[in-house]
Amino acid sequence: QKEVEQDPGPLSVPEGAIVSLNCTYSNSAFQYFMWYRQYSRKGPELLMYTYSSGNKEDGRFTAQVDKSSKYISLFIRDSQPSDSATYLCAMSETSNSGYALNFGKGTSLLVTP
Amino acid sequence: DAGVTQSPTHLIKTRGQQVTLRCSPKSGHDTVSWYQQALGQGPQFIFQYYEEEERQRGNFPDRFSGHQFPNYSSELNVNALLLGDSALYLCASSLVHSGELFFGEGSRLTVL
Repeated sequence: QKEVEQDPGPLSVPEGAIVSLNCTYSNSAFQYFMWYRQYSRKGPELLMYTYSSGNKEDGRFTAQVDKSSKYISLFIRDSQPSDSATYLCAMSETSNSGYALNFGKGTSLLVTP
Repeated sequence: DAGVTQSPTHLIKTRGQQVTLRCSPKSGHDTVSWYQQALGQGPQFIFQYYEEEERQRGNFPDRFSGHQFPNYSSELNVNALLLGDSALYLCASSLVHSGELFFGEGSRLTVL
């Protein structure tokens, strides 16, 4: 079993929809949780960075972490065609970047006009 | 403010050859990590450099080696290339006590 599980999709939604992306994990030592967006043939771009459980909002994006369930989510409101990309969840055991990020496989999202 | 830059962007090698990939970190960052991303997969951690030393290493063979220079830039070397080494190689930079990693666009390696 991989430490981080993420449904690869693809997920297709109409423009303006609310998108929900999710990851589960098995390592209870993970404390820092990130979401990256990756456009085709580009490097990952950091979207959200959160610590422990709770919610964090940034514009149209909301990240949620439920450590008791080992489950994290990213919500995108008012989705736009420019949001079409692969979304990667990542997590690490400490804030010290000496610990490697553990990534999910990524979920491919397509927002249609 | 330049972000993380990597070179070359694309390259093709044959089995058994050696390759060197280069990375310049984001301005002000002192730590460089390398990741391998196979097609359809998430990035896999190779190793990290800080103060010119390898600080942590993932589950990659000794054919993968690296170096960090005094200006914080870094190189990834892969010897005796295998077909399975074909992937996007990503460099990420950060501050040593921050978990926020910023990635470059990657170097796409094809091994024939």
